[in-house]
Amino acid sequence: NAGVMQNPRHLVRRRGQEARLRCSPMKGHSHVYWYRQLPEEGLKFMVYLQKENIIDESGMPKERFSAEFPKEGPSILRIQQVVRGDSAAYFCASSPQGQGATDTQYFGPGTRLTVL
Amino acid sequence: QKEVEQNSGPLSVPEGAIASLNCTYSDRVSQSFFWYRQYSGKSPELIMSIYSNGDKEDGRFTAQLNKASQYVSLLIRDSQPSDSATYLCAVSARGTYKYIFGTGTRLKVLA
Repeated sequence: NAGVMQNPRHLVRRRGQEARLRCSPMKGHSHVYWYRQLPEEGLKFMVYLQKENIIDESGMPKERFSAEFPKEGPSILRIQQVVRGDSAAYFCASSPQGQGATDTQYFGPGTRLTVL
Repeated sequence: QKEVEQNSGPLSVPEGAIASLNCTYSDRVSQSFFWYRQYSGKSPELIMSIYSNGDKEDGRFTAQLNKASQYVSLLIRDSQPSDSATYLCAVSARGTYKYIFGTGTRLKVLA
């Protein structure tokens, strides 16, 4: 009964490098959400994806950030040319239906990105 | 005005007492409300969801929702030191999937 899986759990990058964060939803879930949590702040919505579709990326920074959820394999959040301000915990959540009102999101363990 | 507001705390209660955590929200069309617990360095863990006005109980936890006053609360009875964590309130509106989170209330249960 695996929950939401994320890897790596910790990622260290130097400024200018690329970061790739992976998320596998819970079994039976086809909706994936990415959130970012800066130190001492709440979680902020970034993007919502279904298989092969980006449904809402209104929370994504306009540059350097992209996300995908291919037909096969995990969802990937990609950050190009990382800067120190990207250091944060990135959480993935999944839900079975994506219906909003009563569709609970379950969170993975997160990836803690540190940019040196 | 923040969309979801919580007192950051810390809220300190003695072991065995009732801890009361509050959350207010600004969007009147909000329909779904969630309480998550987050231990330091860990991911949010769902405690309760509530959709209708009134109380909802689950073990030592009771969620209370008042849509007219736009607040939702979480009561923890017989608080234990293991309840010490940050409690996040999340809100979503009808037809949306985005959760809007508060910044969380840090709870300390003193042994």
